[in-house]
Amino acid sequence: NAGVMQNPRHLVRRRGQEARLRCSPMKGHSHVYWYRQLPEEGLKFMVYLQKENIIDESGMPKERFSAEFPKEGPSILRIQQVVRGDSAAYFCASSPGPGSPSYNEQFFGPGTRLTVL
Amino acid sequence: GQQLNQSPQSMFIQEGEDVSMNCTSSSIFNTWLWYKQDPGEGPVLLIALYKAGELTSNGRLTAQFGITRKDSFLNISASIPSDVGIYFCAGQLGSGGSNYKLTFGKGTLLTVNP
Repeated sequence: NAGVMQNPRHLVRRRGQEARLRCSPMKGHSHVYWYRQLPEEGLKFMVYLQKENIIDESGMPKERFSAEFPKEGPSILRIQQVVRGDSAAYFCASSPGPGSPSYNEQFFGPGTRLTVL
Repeated sequence: GQQLNQSPQSMFIQEGEDVSMNCTSSSIFNTWLWYKQDPGEGPVLLIALYKAGELTSNGRLTAQFGITRKDSFLNISASIPSDVGIYFCAGQLGSGGSNYKLTFGKGTLLTVNP
């Protein structure tokens, strides 16, 4: 499967627990983006990362949320002390770097559906 | 911040009919993208537009990048049942840093009656 991979597909947490969402970009892609989708809404940008660097985190809540894209391994979106309002679908997208003719195009994974009880 | 207004919110059509949906923005974008999302899945890229006035086709889908760079439309011709889903427009400023993030419309829910 050469597409963007996300796991888990579904995650249930109780209030106050931590949620870790993982994303492996498409082969050859070095840019990762995280978006959040509430029911019957469009996707909202959260954060844009390159390997070992956060480029734009203007859409991330200031508290409890963090993201990383280490040199080795998947990108991780971490939500600490989850609350019911964090329940949503979280999507990861990847794109090739500048220099590729399709560097503007973002390809999405299947998402992680987080439910907070 | 930038906002995208996508219309219509939903459409109910008969198989074989043509469909048109559009997006307008309060500010310009340099790239427009159209995605389709099926229930429980991630958005799938349908068409990417890079130049004002550009008209691009992908099978039965045709999309245009508005001259003002503040709007785009998507047409689907001769609809079939598998066209059912939510269609999203997305705009991007591009050219470095925070400009790569996508701003999405709220989607058009398409239902096709066989």
